Amino acid sequence: GDKVKQSPSALSLQEGTNSALRCNFSIAATTVQWFLQNPRGSLINLFYLVPGTKENGRLKSAFDSKESYSTLHIRDAQLEDSGTYFCAAENYNQGKLIFGQGTKLSIKP
Amino acid sequence: DAGVTQTPRHEVAEKGQTIILKCEPVSGHNDLFWYRQTKIQGLELLSYFRSKSLMEDGGAFKDRFKAEMLNSSFSTLKIQPTEPKDSAVYLCASTSGGQDTQYFGPGTRLLVL
Repeated sequence: GDKVKQSPSALSLQEGTNSALRCNFSIAATTVQWFLQNPRGSLINLFYLVPGTKENGRLKSAFDSKESYSTLHIRDAQLEDSGTYFCAAENYNQGKLIFGQGTKLSIKP
Repeated sequence: DAGVTQTPRHEVAEKGQTIILKCEPVSGHNDLFWYRQTKIQGLELLSYFRSKSLMEDGGAFKDRFKAEMLNSSFSTLKIQPTEPKDSAVYLCASTSGGQDTQYFGPGTRLLVL
């Protein structure tokens, strides 16, 4: 089964609105990373998280290791936020990441 | 500092050929990863090196896929022989090791006819 499950699989938003993406883990995740894959295909790292929260501009992410989930909040969505968002979990400090299937986000003007 | 570089960016191969993809990690990074990305399977780990030692050899990908790290600043992924189902984007990533952010290269888009 899916060790890292992302929801929703796709999302369409108006520019200026807010959204929340979620990742649920069926493994003992010790750290979580969030990436944005832009339309050109490049994977850009957004956050590296140990349990807790981080904020960067309009983005905010949280990781709760006890409840086995992570969230990514996007505030005041802009057109350039469009792309596919991936979360990935590291299991017991093994070094390698297990990726979710991604959330495809489309921002409309 | 340059990020992760990958060459070639695009590759077209005939079924049965041998192809070699190349990756240069971020300077000073100790861990290197090869992934394959397809629409159906998503991102799958192929190989993982820590300080040039192979930590993960790809499980189901072992028979035709071979990754090598010749030195700390260069890695190759050989696919031999190629099959049409190998058509995908191959991504290389590196990290400084331990608990740290993974930085991805631009990928090589492979099409096997």
